[in-house]
Amino acid sequence: LAKTTQPISMDSYEGQEVNITCSHNNIATNDYITWYQQFPSQGPRFIIQGYKTKVTNEVASLFIPADRKSSTLSLPRVSLSDTAVYYCLVGYNFNKFYFGSGTKLNVKP
Amino acid sequence: ETGVTQTPRHLVMGMTNKKSLKCEQHLGHNAMYWYKQSAKKPLELMFVYSLEERVENNSVPSRFSPECPNSSHLFLHLHTLQPEDSALYLCASSQSGLATHEQYFGPGTRLTVT
Repeated sequence: LAKTTQPISMDSYEGQEVNITCSHNNIATNDYITWYQQFPSQGPRFIIQGYKTKVTNEVASLFIPADRKSSTLSLPRVSLSDTAVYYCLVGYNFNKFYFGSGTKLNVKP
Repeated sequence: ETGVTQTPRHLVMGMTNKKSLKCEQHLGHNAMYWYKQSAKKPLELMFVYSLEERVENNSVPSRFSPECPNSSHLFLHLHTLQPEDSALYLCASSQSGLATHEQYFGPGTRLTVT
């Protein structure tokens, strides 16, 4: 079971780029790296997923180095509405996913 | 209605009561999940169903009993719960149990055991 390590919390200001790094030293060959966002009293929401190199979608980018032992979620120009908890998950099957404590991002005006 | 729905949204029950949580997905997915989220604790996976068969049960006490009558519906039957079972219970679904298919979560049921 590939567990992950993320910062407990981060602060940012509106309009800044935010990078959240996740460590997953024992990632397996078949594992994918997935990031979710969760607002208070709501279910998590999928943000982005990748296997290697870089992935970009309309809300975020995911950078994965060649050794895949870490990954960085990049949120461009954050707004107040991006204040949430961000989870990094590593796995091949959902029944082996471990959400962990996540990173609480606080975006200030 | 689209996505994953859960009812009720809030539930207060005594320790001797029996109640059920309902989850319904309108996405045509084949896998469904129950998660528990307690205050200041990570999200915990409780049960996984794939094609209506339970494939995972993460050492959940028997006072929690899941039921998946078809691929669109998932229930969590509750009986003789303890106060520490108070939490947000989240249902999710995905196309398959593989991580390449994203999970869609419902809004959750906020359970309070008195």
